[in-house]
Amino acid sequence: GAGVSQSPRYKVAKRGQDVALRCDPISGHVSLFWYQQALGQGPEFLTYFQNEAQLDKSGLPSDRFFAERPEGSVSTLKIQRTQQEDSAVYLCASSLNTDTQYFGPGTRLTVL
Amino acid sequence: GQQLNQSPQSMFIQEGEDVSMNCTSSSIFNTWLWYKQDPGEGPVLLIALYKAGELTSNGRLTAQFGITRKDSFLNISASIPSDVGIYFCAGSFQGGSEKLVFGKGMKLTVNP
Repeated sequence: GAGVSQSPRYKVAKRGQDVALRCDPISGHVSLFWYQQALGQGPEFLTYFQNEAQLDKSGLPSDRFFAERPEGSVSTLKIQRTQQEDSAVYLCASSLNTDTQYFGPGTRLTVL
Repeated sequence: GQQLNQSPQSMFIQEGEDVSMNCTSSSIFNTWLWYKQDPGEGPVLLIALYKAGELTSNGRLTAQFGITRKDSFLNISASIPSDVGIYFCAGSFQGGSEKLVFGKGMKLTVNP
């Protein structure tokens, strides 16, 4: 595909459930970013990969959040024991090494 | 997490009018970017600024990178209905290879 794709687009989870969100970056893009966007707010940085290496995870809000990119392409953001405050849109972005970041459509997570 | 100070938070204008918005930060950035986000979509890059004092245009959009590196503005001239959406400023220390820090966004409504 031409752009960044994310799945699922919508996810409803009961409090305490684990969820996994997938990101397919633009082919050949080295860098991959995850952001969290709460309702009415701008995106906030969660974590960053360069190829398969996770170079910055300073934005992950707790140890319930875990991200991986094992082969340097597709990435998965996992949230364990979801809480209501985890409800947000999770955006993935990719870029060539020094180019601009291109965003996917996001996954809207609702925790009941 | 850190967010930039973006103002105004919303604007209601008539088609054909110009609109300006600005963004300030307590931190110095090397790159300023302006994104637009439509409902249910990820942010789309409008303009990127890489040098202090730089003034850049993209069609009806004009943006400037402040001399102090702590601010930027975006101007939209002769607005049209499809300009409706949420506009975000974002700052970065290294363009596409590092995390972006976003403002809270400005919601633009254009009345035909």
